[in-house]
Formats: sequence, structure tokens, C-alpha cells
Amino acid sequence: TQLLEQSPQFLSIQEGENLTVYCNSSSVFSSLQWYRQEPGEGPVLLVTVVTGGEVKKLKRLTFQFGDARKDSSLHITAAQPGDTGLYLCAGAELRGTYKYIFGTGTRLKVLA
Amino acid sequence: DAGVTQSPTHLIKTRGQHVTLRCSPISGHKSVSWYQQVLGQGPQFIFQYYEKEERGRGNFPDRFSARQFPNYSSELNVNALLLGDSALYLCASSLPGARGEKLFFGSGTQLSVL
Repeated sequence: TQLLEQSPQFLSIQEGENLTVYCNSSSVFSSLQWYRQEPGEGPVLLVTVVTGGEVKKLKRLTFQFGDARKDSSLHITAAQPGDTGLYLCAGAELRGTYKYIFGTGTRLKVLA
Repeated sequence: DAGVTQSPTHLIKTRGQHVTLRCSPISGHKSVSWYQQVLGQGPQFIFQYYEKEERGRGNFPDRFSARQFPNYSSELNVNALLLGDSALYLCASSLPGARGEKLFFGSGTQLSVL
């Protein structure tokens, strides 16, 4: 069974601070996605990374896919209260892209 | 354009009952996936349907079943409900792409089993 472990599970920081969330697995994925979920809503896709070592930037968010395609990180620069939410990574199995394995989630709270 | 719509938004059932959850995908999306999200955890894959055919099934008992209709909408059925089935059930429609499928989630159905 493929598992994606995220760390930390919870993070409470002040506005303006930087943070990094990690997503780790012993399995290789064909691609990895990051989502943000707010209370009462479904997850919203932020980014997809496909190539080992790939780095993608979305404004203040930087995503990296590990060289071996087993892990990923999300770095937020100068966090804002609007970044508050549950961050989920999701890996697509190698044999097909139709099943996504979701991570355990990182709940971020940014205080004004 | 309307996003993925799910109904009902909330549901309360008792143990042993049956439940049907409904999902309408984004127009033009032919693939629908169902996920179960227990409080405090990430979503877990239940089913994916593409063009009315089951394309994948997660590690869920046979009490869980689903189907997709000609208009690509979908139903998730759960029989003989257990307390542990209490969760947020998410439907996602998707488009295939060179960089993997992009999942677009609905707001979910919150199921409480008493």
C-alpha cells in the first residue's frame, strides 16, 4: 500500500513568516499534485509536478518534486492569513494516473 | 461555468441504512472519481468512472458501489451503513492531460451515521 506522509501535521505561524511543508513516500509516483482545502469545501488544485527535480512557482508558493519522484515540498514565503487551510499532496500511481493517493495533510494557520 | 455539484450537502443516517450520493461533473468532463475523507485525514480513493465504465477501485468493501450515467453524472451507493462510514464524501471530475489528470472537486456530502 502506497502512503504519503506529510509533515508537520499542524503549523501555526505569524503573518510574514516563511514555512515549508514536506510530503514523503517510499513509493515512486508518476506525478504529484498539491491541493489546498478550506473548511466545508473540496480540495482545490494548486500545482502538478511531473519530472524528478522539477520546481514550480505560484506567486509566493514554491513546489519541488524530489529527484527520485518519491517526495515533494511546498515552501511559502511571507505567509498571509489567506494562506490558512489544509494542504494536501497527492501522488498518481505509476501504472496509471487515475488513482491519486492523498497525503495525511498539513493544517496551516497564519495569524495576522 | 458551473463546477462539480454534489447532493445532498449533509445527510444523517442510522446504522444499517442505505445511502445514495449524487454528483454532476463539470460540463465536458467524462471522468468522475469518488473519495472518502474522514475528519483529520486526507481523502481516500473509492472509485473512478470514465465513459460509464469503472476504471479503478480503492480498498473499500463491497457495500460501496457506484455507477455513471450517459450524461456523465454519477451516484455512489453505500449499503448497511456503519458508524465508521461517517465522513465527507467528495466527488471529482477530471480532464486527462499531458501532466496527469486535473481533479476538480465538489464541496462534498457530509454523511453522519448514528
